[in-house]
Amino acid sequence: DGGITQSPKYLFRKEGQNVTLSCEQNLNHDAMYWYRQDPGQGLRLIYYSQIVNDFQKGDIAEGYSVSREKKESFPLTVTSAQKNPTAFYLCASTPTGGAWYEQFFGPGTRLTVL
Amino acid sequence: LAKTTQPISMDSYEGQEVNITCSHNNIATNDYITWYQQFPSQGPRFIIQGYKTKVTNEVASLFIPADRKSSTLSLPRVSLSDTAVYYCLVGPRGRAAGNKLTFGGGTRVLVKP
Repeated sequence: DGGITQSPKYLFRKEGQNVTLSCEQNLNHDAMYWYRQDPGQGLRLIYYSQIVNDFQKGDIAEGYSVSREKKESFPLTVTSAQKNPTAFYLCASTPTGGAWYEQFFGPGTRLTVL
Repeated sequence: LAKTTQPISMDSYEGQEVNITCSHNNIATNDYITWYQQFPSQGPRFIIQGYKTKVTNEVASLFIPADRKSSTLSLPRVSLSDTAVYYCLVGPRGRAAGNKLTFGGGTRVLVKP
């Protein structure tokens, strides 16, 4: 089955620790995205990558870092510099040559900072 | 993407039709209207898109008046499983490499038994 997987589904971390969220897709999509969603709010873009070894900051990149060493993988690291990291994190990808609305989302990771 | 305005929430009952209106006064000539559905603790999924008049698929219908300054998503005979947040997005069709989706708060639809 083709799709996007995110792991873990739930993640707890202590304040001051870095944590990495996994996002893997086997859809052969070029573009990948990371969004953050707070309770009752819409999605906000953290980072996106149009191609391997390239990525751009989104609207709320401060306190986050990413890498795109492989087409299939786009991990997100939430650093200790992120002041309020507790949120629901969603990864998405777009088909090669796809349009802005053709984003396929993963199941999400819910991060809680203790 | 153009700014959109939707109601924050709507309640309905099983078997009823739910209509959600989205305002997009600044829609451009080449903009399309797209709706996403998000279930709790899941990512959004595309449900329907249109440019003018009416579009229907197995999930919903989308009604767009001639001036295109608003659109209405219609969910026929809803069930409990239609409880979700519905987002309206407006933007140009066609390739938009690296373009970002801007989701507002959406409309929270609660279907009651």
